[in-house]
Amino acid sequence: DVKVTQSSRYLVKRTGEKVFLECVQDMDHENMFWYRQDPGLGLRLIYFSYDVKMKEKGDIPEGYSVSREKKERFSLILESASTNQTSMYLCASSVRLWDRGYQPQHFGDGTRLSIL
Amino acid sequence: SQQGEEDPQALSIQEGENATMNCSYKTSINNLQWYRQNSGRGLVHLILIRSNEREKHSGRLRVTLDTSKKSSSLLITASRAADTASYFCARGSGTYKYIFGTGTRLKVLA
Repeated sequence: DVKVTQSSRYLVKRTGEKVFLECVQDMDHENMFWYRQDPGLGLRLIYFSYDVKMKEKGDIPEGYSVSREKKERFSLILESASTNQTSMYLCASSVRLWDRGYQPQHFGDGTRLSIL
Repeated sequence: SQQGEEDPQALSIQEGENATMNCSYKTSINNLQWYRQNSGRGLVHLILIRSNEREKHSGRLRVTLDTSKKSSSLLITASRAADTASYFCARGSGTYKYIFGTGTRLKVLA
């Protein structure tokens, strides 16, 4: 079974701090994704990566950056945390096949981040 | 909004009953997927249906897709307490992107 591991289940940080959220997958998937989940808004894509060092902005990239130096690891960085970034953050991965877009995503258990 | 929208937002049924959730969307799709999320956990993929398919089954799950109405439904038959979760539809959009709906919270009472 695919395992996607997020480094922290709960995290509390202060405004202005630089925050790192880490995600590791063990199935050699090419694609990795970061979402945030807020009540009533569903999942919104922040960034995704389709290869090492490759990234594309999702729907809400402002205030975030990402890093993918190794295939199995995808990091989300909050450059200067703000209270409106308090949320549940979910990482996911999927294979990349010729009919891309048809493959299910495998999710980690999420990091519930609170910015005080 | 580009999001899929699930309906109802919340559903409460007795164990053994069937549960039906609906998903509507606004633009064309090449596939639609359903996911389950247990409280405090990540999403788990349930079933994928392609735009040229009308119905798919997986165990107690049945998914239908009506591209003319831009809608899909997920039916869970003979519900169990363990089916209590939130259910999301996600449509394939662009190359790697998926657009998720806002979810239906299902509660199955024992």
